[in-house]
Amino acid sequence: NAGVTQTPKFRVLKTGQSMTLLCAQDMNHEYMYWYRQDPGMGLRLIHYSVGEGTTAKGEVPDGYNVSRLKKQNFLLGLESAAPSQTSVYFCASSDGTEAFFGQGTRLTVV
Amino acid sequence: KQEVTQIPAALSVPEGENLVLNCSFTDSAIYNLQWFRQDPGKGLTSLLLIQSSQREQTSGRLNASLDKSSGRSTLYIAASQPGDSATYLCAVRPSGSEKLVFGKGTKLTVNP
Repeated sequence: NAGVTQTPKFRVLKTGQSMTLLCAQDMNHEYMYWYRQDPGMGLRLIHYSVGEGTTAKGEVPDGYNVSRLKKQNFLLGLESAAPSQTSVYFCASSDGTEAFFGQGTRLTVV
Repeated sequence: KQEVTQIPAALSVPEGENLVLNCSFTDSAIYNLQWFRQDPGKGLTSLLLIQSSQREQTSGRLNASLDKSSGRSTLYIAASQPGDSATYLCAVRPSGSEKLVFGKGTKLTVNP
């Protein structure tokens, strides 16, 4: 019963490097989301998708790109990492009612 | 723009106490409201989901209520235990939106 799985769980990047975070869900959900969580800021929506092949911007999309080529996967890319992108990243999926979250990716940019 | 507020930001209670966590939202046009629990260093675990047409939902020692007209929801925890210590977040899905809007959470500590 995997639910929402995020990889990797931890990563350290140097400023300017790129990386991709992978989110996979096995619940056949249409909606998928990427959030970042920072102390004192709460959860902020980066990008989201309402179905395979679609993406849309959330509150804080700058510096990130996403792709949803397959219904079960939602990828978050950082093209040129900055220290301000140090955060915990959460992926979520939903069938339009209840949302389920992954365990998070702790990213540090030095 | 929908905003969600959770007060207090932190709460400390002795074991066995019944307690209420509060969530308020600015726009009553919501599709549903969801309560989550987050343990340190972990993801969010869904506790209860209340549809806009419902007044409350119960799961074990947890009871969540919804008053859409006043823009409020409460999470009642009966007979609290140290294992209930965590951050509790509420989130609303505005009507016509695919997005969840989160409060910043209430950090609960239950002391043995």
